[in-house]
Amino acid sequence: SAVISQKPSRDICQRGTSLTIQCQVDSQVTMMFWYRQQPGQSLTLIATANQGSEATYESGFVIDKFPISRPNLTFSTLTVSNMSPEDSSIYLCSTGQGSNYGYTFGSGTRLTVV
Amino acid sequence: QKEVEQDPGPLSVPEGAIVSLNCTYSNSAFQYFMWYRQYSRKGPELLMYTYSSGNKEDGRFTAQVDKSSKYISLFIRDSQPSDSATYLCATSYDKVIFGPGTSLSVIP
Repeated sequence: SAVISQKPSRDICQRGTSLTIQCQVDSQVTMMFWYRQQPGQSLTLIATANQGSEATYESGFVIDKFPISRPNLTFSTLTVSNMSPEDSSIYLCSTGQGSNYGYTFGSGTRLTVV
Repeated sequence: QKEVEQDPGPLSVPEGAIVSLNCTYSNSAFQYFMWYRQYSRKGPELLMYTYSSGNKEDGRFTAQVDKSSKYISLFIRDSQPSDSATYLCATSYDKVIFGPGTSLSVIP
């Protein structure tokens, strides 16, 4: 299965600023996913990113707040824009290679907004 | 009603015990059922998956799905301290839906 390198692993940011999270996959993958994991809660899908097209956002998430880039089949970024303390969470990227179950995750980015 | 519900625990058991982790789901269209294990400060890793109803065994782990009652279970036999982690159930149809996870501690 694919191996994902995600960075940064953690960051503390000032409110009103933006943070870009990067994920690098060791093989070419069609679909990449971005999740948010808040303490004690399930993983929530933010958006699905396919190479060469705009990301598809889930209900409650918008492109202006969470712009995503997918420049090639091995790389994606998620930006958390104009951050507030409510954005403090763990952000994870994932890829499924098109399957419905074999999802691989990055190690996550633990974001704290102060 | 949440699409996938799971008792968050925490669950603490002695080493060697049999552990039972359970989830319920609401959408009968779900077809794939998965269990992920997440160690502290790590991303989730796929432990097992099943398609439709039935049992699947892999070493000390058994996954069980009952679609008639929309019930998913994971059994861990001879639990070890290295099994201490958060276990997330998940189901999928056109996208993957995760439960909130159950925190498990296996005490030596």
